[in-house]
Amino acid sequence: QVLLMHSGTEMKKPGASVKLSCKASKYSFNNYYIYWVRQAPGQGLEWMGVISPSGGATSHAQKLQGRITMTRDRSTTTVSMELRNLRSEDTAVYFCARSGGSVSIASLYYYMDDWGRGTTVTVSS
Amino acid sequence: EVVLTQSPGTVSSSPGERVTFSCRASQSISSSLAWYQQKPSQAPTLLIYDASNRATGIPDRFSGSGSGTDFTLTISRLEPEDFTVYYCQYYGDSSTFGQGTKLEI
Repeated sequence: QVLLMHSGTEMKKPGASVKLSCKASKYSFNNYYIYWVRQAPGQGLEWMGVISPSGGATSHAQKLQGRITMTRDRSTTTVSMELRNLRSEDTAVYFCARSGGSVSIASLYYYMDDWGRGTTVTVSS
Repeated sequence: EVVLTQSPGTVSSSPGERVTFSCRASQSISSSLAWYQQKPSQAPTLLIYDASNRATGIPDRFSGSGSGTDFTLTISRLEPEDFTVYYCQYYGDSSTFGQGTKLEI
C-alpha cells in the first residue's frame, strides 16, 4: 500500500526556517501530486500547497506567499517543504498527502486519498 | 477564493441514528468536493470524493450528495467509532477545507 514517511519532529525559534520531508514509496512517484496540509493545535485542517513530482510545478496558499518552497527529488522519491520566517502561529502538525487523481494538464488540485502520519513543528522562543 | 462553511459546528447523536452534515461553498464548485473523517491524533481519512463517490474501503453507511454550492455528508447508522470530526474540502482551481464539524455522543 502507499507509504508516506515524514521526517522528524522540529523545534524552531521565531524567524527561523524549517524544511520537512516526505518520502513516498509503494506507488509510481511521478504519477501523483503531493500536498502539504497543516493543523494547528485544536484547530482545523489548512491546505498549504501542492507539488507535481513529475514536472516540479507547484502552487500554494496565498497566505504563505513568500515563505514556502516545495521541491522534489525524483531519485529518492522525496518531497520537501521549506517554511521560512517562522511564527508562533506556524506551530502545527504538518501532513503530506497523495492526490487521488493522477498528474494531468487539467489540474493540480485533487482530493487526497493517502496521508502520512504527520510531523510536529513547534515554534517558540 | 472559495470559502467552505460547515454546519453545525458540533452535532450530538447516538449510535444507530442517522446524521447529516452540511458544507456550503461561497460560489458554485460543481462536484469538486471531498469529505474526510479525522480521529484524534490521526491523519484524516478520505470518505467521499467528487461529492458522492465513496472512497475505497469506506462502509456504505457513509454517503455524500450535492452539487454547486450545497453539499451533504450522511451517516445512516452511526457506529461508536464514527463519533469524531469531519471536514469537507474543495479542489477546483485552488483548494481549501471547511472548518470541520464535530460529532459527539
